[in-house]
Amino acid sequence: DAGVIQSPRHEVTEMGQEVTLRCKPISGHNSLFWYRQTMMRGLELLIYFNNNVPIDDSGMPEDRFSAKMPNASFSTLKIQPSEPRDSAVYFCASSTGQGQPQHFGDGTRLSIL
Amino acid sequence: QQQVKQSPQSLIVQKGGISIINCAYENTAFDYFPWYQQFPGKGPALLIAIRPDVSEKKEGRFTISFNKSAKQFSLHIMDSQPGDSATYFCAAVTSGTYKYIFGTGTRLKVLA
Repeated sequence: DAGVIQSPRHEVTEMGQEVTLRCKPISGHNSLFWYRQTMMRGLELLIYFNNNVPIDDSGMPEDRFSAKMPNASFSTLKIQPSEPRDSAVYFCASSTGQGQPQHFGDGTRLSIL
Repeated sequence: QQQVKQSPQSLIVQKGGISIINCAYENTAFDYFPWYQQFPGKGPALLIAIRPDVSEKKEGRFTISFNKSAKQFSLHIMDSQPGDSATYFCAAVTSGTYKYIFGTGTRLKVLA
């Protein structure tokens, strides 16, 4: 079975550039989560969707961050403009619903120079 | 109230030993407690989970012990192996919500 698929796996870009991270959830999962992982702050939930609708974006750090889920099989997390402090590993996860196990992708390692 | 406190931050265990990682929470509304295992370069993967209606759950070498009155739960890895070397995260969630509250992680190293 295909798991959660994220792309790209690695992204290196210069400060000020737009960054777009992509996620394909597991087929049949109707909840999707974006996390950020850093050594200092651990795993932080940025935003989650249920049935393609954003439910809680209170974890999005700034207006520079935005996320969309145009359909059940695709989501994007965009940072514009990017800053060095955005460097982290970004994970996407999906689940079948409330309180159900979340399945994580292998993440995108983002480096902003 | 929403925090999950995890300890220790790092742990070194000899092969064959028992690894113990502890988590504590305050919010009594939490009713699902999963543990995740993360290898370098990979995403966290669900290892084992427990609900508060039982005090212990065992799957192979991995056991969760749950103390509802103390609001604590722990992961025990019996007969620890070098392949168990990874970062372990506890989490807590209220089944009526979508949000997992993760602990800060424990980096386990099992020496051969």
